[in-house]
Amino acid sequence: EAQVTQNPRYLITVTGKKLTVTCSQNMNHEYMSWYRQDPGLGLRQIYYSMNVEVTDKGDVPEGYKVSRKEKRNFPLILESPSPNQTSLYFCASRRQGGYTGELFFGEGSRLTVL
Amino acid sequence: QKEVEQDPGPLSVPEGAIVSLNCTYSNSAFQYFMWYRQYSRKGPELLMYTYSSGNKEDGRFTAQVDKSSKYISLFIRDSQPSDSATYLCAMVLMGRSQGNLIFGKGTKLSVKP
Repeated sequence: EAQVTQNPRYLITVTGKKLTVTCSQNMNHEYMSWYRQDPGLGLRQIYYSMNVEVTDKGDVPEGYKVSRKEKRNFPLILESPSPNQTSLYFCASRRQGGYTGELFFGEGSRLTVL
Repeated sequence: QKEVEQDPGPLSVPEGAIVSLNCTYSNSAFQYFMWYRQYSRKGPELLMYTYSSGNKEDGRFTAQVDKSSKYISLFIRDSQPSDSATYLCAMVLMGRSQGNLIFGKGTKLSVKP
């Protein structure tokens, strides 16, 4: 089954404790992206990657890091989480060529930073 | 001014009603227009996609694009309780930011039996 898998789905952590949210896709997609979704603000892009070893900032990259060492994986790293990073996070992927607009999203990871 | 504006609702309609969801945008260079549907506790999924002005129909759903007015709509005919979800419009400006999507904030729809 074609899917984007995120882990963990739910996490409560404390300020300053480094954490990683993993994302893996099994569709051989070149493009991957991370979004956060907040009430009243909608989906905002954090980082994206056009292919292995190619990453770029989205609209809200502060406080986040990413890496793309393998085509299927695109982890999101919070080096020192703060309460304003409490949010619902989505990973997404799509083919890079022949653009159709279809982003495939994961189920989401709800993060609470105390 | 936000690039994409979408009324967040919530919108509540009785089963069988015709639903109209709308977005406006400011950048006339947007080329691709999409509607995503997001059920509670799920990720968004692509519902409809269109490139040109005019209408595109898929079952009970019709996507409409008016580039001259910078306005897109999604119509749902004979709405069902299973249509209850948040609907997000999205647009792409090719050649900028590698085709990244710009999303509206989403409209939450509830269809009552």
